[in-house]
Amino acid sequence: LAKTTQPISMDSYEGQEVNITCSHNNIATNDYITWYQQFPSQGPRFIIQGYKTKVTNEVASLFIPADRKSSTLSLPRVSLSDTAVYYCLVVGSGGYNKLIFGAGTRLAVHP
Amino acid sequence: DGGITQSPKYLFRKEGQNVTLSCEQNLNHDAMYWYRQDPGQGLRLIYYSQIVNDFQKGDIAEGYSVSREKKESFPLTVTSAQKNPTAFYLCASSIPQTGNQPQHFGDGTRLSIL
Repeated sequence: LAKTTQPISMDSYEGQEVNITCSHNNIATNDYITWYQQFPSQGPRFIIQGYKTKVTNEVASLFIPADRKSSTLSLPRVSLSDTAVYYCLVVGSGGYNKLIFGAGTRLAVHP
Repeated sequence: DGGITQSPKYLFRKEGQNVTLSCEQNLNHDAMYWYRQDPGQGLRLIYYSQIVNDFQKGDIAEGYSVSREKKESFPLTVTSAQKNPTAFYLCASSIPQTGNQPQHFGDGTRLSIL
């Protein structure tokens, strides 16, 4: 199971773009990169998932370079409500695959 | 709206007591999971079930038990054998056919010791 490394915390201001980078050097061929968001006293919420290049949805973009050893979650124009913990996970696509949550990145958005 | 309901939101346990946390889903998902989260930490898998009447131990199953008699329900019992039960417990469900299907989480039960 690939281990991920991401910053413990980040600070930003309203209206800025936030980029959170995740390192996953041992990612396997059939692994996907998945990001979850968690607010205090709530369960994590799936944000975005990708395999290679770029994926964009209404919430975020995910950039994955060709070697797939890292990925960057991009949150455009953050607001105070984006203050949360963001988890980067690497998940295999075949059969049951256990989710391994690290400590995540605590993003604080300031006025 | 489809989703996962966990109850109660807060629960208190006395020494030597077993308590049961409820998890119900109406997403028609086959797979269900229980996680434990300690302050400032990520989630750790307790038990998971890929189908009714079947479940598997996760990384920290000692002191916990589960049942899966119905597709929509996956209760977790925290037994007296669990010496440090104070934590935030999260239930999730997913479509298990392929491993990268997103998991949908409930809003958790916070368990404390009296």
